[in-house]
Order: sequence, then C-alpha cells, then structure tokens
Amino acid sequence: EAGVAQSPRYKIIEKRQSVAFWCNPISGHATLYWYQQILGQGPKLLIQFQNNGVVDDSQLPKDRFSAERLKGVDSTLKIQPAKLEDSAVYLCASSLGTGRDEQYFGPGTRLTVT
Amino acid sequence: QKEVEQNSGPLSVPEGAIASLNCTYSDRGSQSFFWYRQYSGKSPELIMSIYSNGDKEDGRFTAQLNKASQYVSLLIRDSQPSDSATYLCAFSVGNQFYFGTGTSLTVIP
Repeated sequence: EAGVAQSPRYKIIEKRQSVAFWCNPISGHATLYWYQQILGQGPKLLIQFQNNGVVDDSQLPKDRFSAERLKGVDSTLKIQPAKLEDSAVYLCASSLGTGRDEQYFGPGTRLTVT
Repeated sequence: QKEVEQNSGPLSVPEGAIASLNCTYSDRGSQSFFWYRQYSGKSPELIMSIYSNGDKEDGRFTAQLNKASQYVSLLIRDSQPSDSATYLCAFSVGNQFYFGTGTSLTVIP
C-alpha cells in the first residue's frame, strides 16, 4: 500500500514570495491533515479535512495561508506572502476517519524562507 | 487550550536497558492516545495507539494508559541504538489532535 505522498521535498524562497505544497493521502483515507513543525517542537495542526470539507482550521493563519481539497483526495497548501517565521517542515497526514483513527504521515516539505 | 506535557529530555539509556517515556494531558475528554517516533530529519512514524486504561504491548514496546491520572507512558524494553529518536505523544478529543513537543532518546551502545 502506497503511503502519503508530498511534494516538493525541499523549497527555498524569499520572504514575500508565494509557495504551494501538494499532498496525496493513502488511498481510501477520508481525513487529511496539514501540520507545521518548527525545529524542536511537536507538529501543530494547521487544517483538517474530512473528504472535501474543513473540520478544523482554527490555527491556520488565514491572512496568508490557504488550503483546499477540491475532490476529496489530494490537497494543496499555499502560503502567500511568506514570512521568515514560516520556515518549518510542513507535514501532511491522513487517516481513515477522525478522532480515534491513527494518522500516517508523509515525508514532509522543508521550507526555508530567506 | 489543550496541552500535552512530555518528560523533559534528553533521555539517555544504555543498550539493553528499559527506556521510560512519560506524557500527561490536560483534557479529561481525551479519547485516544498515540505514540510516534521521529528520527532526525524524518516525519513521525506511528508506534502504538491505546484507547483504554491498562497496558498494551507490541514487541519491545508497552504503552500504559491511566485516564484517571491523565497519564500515558511508553516503555521500550531491551533498548537498541536504532531506538534513538524523538518520541512524540499525541491525543485526540473528538475530531481534534494534539501533539506534545517530544522527548529525545539516545541509546548508548
């Protein structure tokens, strides 16, 4: 069974530029999560989708971050414009359902904003 | 504000010893608990999930949950150098997931 796919793996941009990350979850997983992990910290949930609906986006900085999952499968997370403090690893995870269900992570995208 | 507190690291144990990792959580409504392992530069990898009070064993790993004390732990028996990583505790409340900051474990050969 294929795991969670993410691209790109690495990205370097200048502040005020825009960037987009892509995620394809495990086949059949209804729930998709985007996390931000800053070095030395645990993952912080940015947004959670169930199918193509948003379950939780309370910690998403909506003035600069956006995400979509139009067909209930793959998803895109965008940052526009980027700030220095956005430098982090962006992790995508998926699970069959929500709550009790185990999440499986993709390899992540390491973003450096200069 | 939901919180997950993990014992401060780094934790070092000799090869073959038992490593004990601890986690407390703030929400009594928490339903599910998870331990993830994260190697440096890699993404978190699920080790175990536990949903009810008591112990759950999987190979060299044992998770222990005490909901009354809001406490979950992970024991690693016969620790190996390959167990050296950061261990993340997580819990869910309803549809929401919360991660701790992790405990760094080093197993010394």
